[in-house]
Amino acid sequence: GEEVAQTPKHLVRGEGQKAKLYCAPIKGHSYVFWYQQVLKNEFKFLISFQNENVFDETGMPKERFSAKCLPNSPCSLEIQATKLEDSAVYFCASSQFTNTGELFFGEGSRLTVL
Amino acid sequence: GESVGLHLPTLSVQEGDNSIINCAYSNSASDYFIWYKQESGKGPQFIIDIRSNMDKRQGQRVTVLLNKTVKHLSLQIAATQPGDSAVYFCAENAGGTSYGKLTFGQGTILTVHP
Repeated sequence: GEEVAQTPKHLVRGEGQKAKLYCAPIKGHSYVFWYQQVLKNEFKFLISFQNENVFDETGMPKERFSAKCLPNSPCSLEIQATKLEDSAVYFCASSQFTNTGELFFGEGSRLTVL
Repeated sequence: GESVGLHLPTLSVQEGDNSIINCAYSNSASDYFIWYKQESGKGPQFIIDIRSNMDKRQGQRVTVLLNKTVKHLSLQIAATQPGDSAVYFCAENAGGTSYGKLTFGQGTILTVHP
């Protein structure tokens, strides 16, 4: 597609439950990024992919967070055993090249952990 | 509420005025900088970028200035319009092999009054 599509737009989970978010990058874009935005301000890089391969996962809290980009499927970000501090908007972005910071962001998925 | 304790810098201008949004960065090794615009409920949108071998770059109605000596970045918007109202973020390349791995600064809220 011409836009990065993220689902669901809103997700509410009780503490300890699992949350799974999805992202369809722009067709033809090889790079996918996940960012976390807390309190409408701070963005935190989580992970990036080059096609189905993890490119950089230095931002991932590895204990509970995992992500995949499988061929012919939307990319996913999964949080096991959610905590209150996981409440945030999770943005997926894609780009065609690695030598640019021009990322195309989706509209985000708002996760609320109660 | 969500905004408790959150105080972003704000800039209020009249339609038609020029706007200048400032950003200080901390990593002297950063070699790539970007400005993003985020409208309410949406993902960040790329505005303009600049590499560290330049000190000025112009786009359509926007100019980015880079002062590496004092680690300062600014975004100038000419003839500001109500549609420019948004939160503006500067970002720098956070290292690694991908320019898409970004460290975002604190946002600035721009409000344009008709």
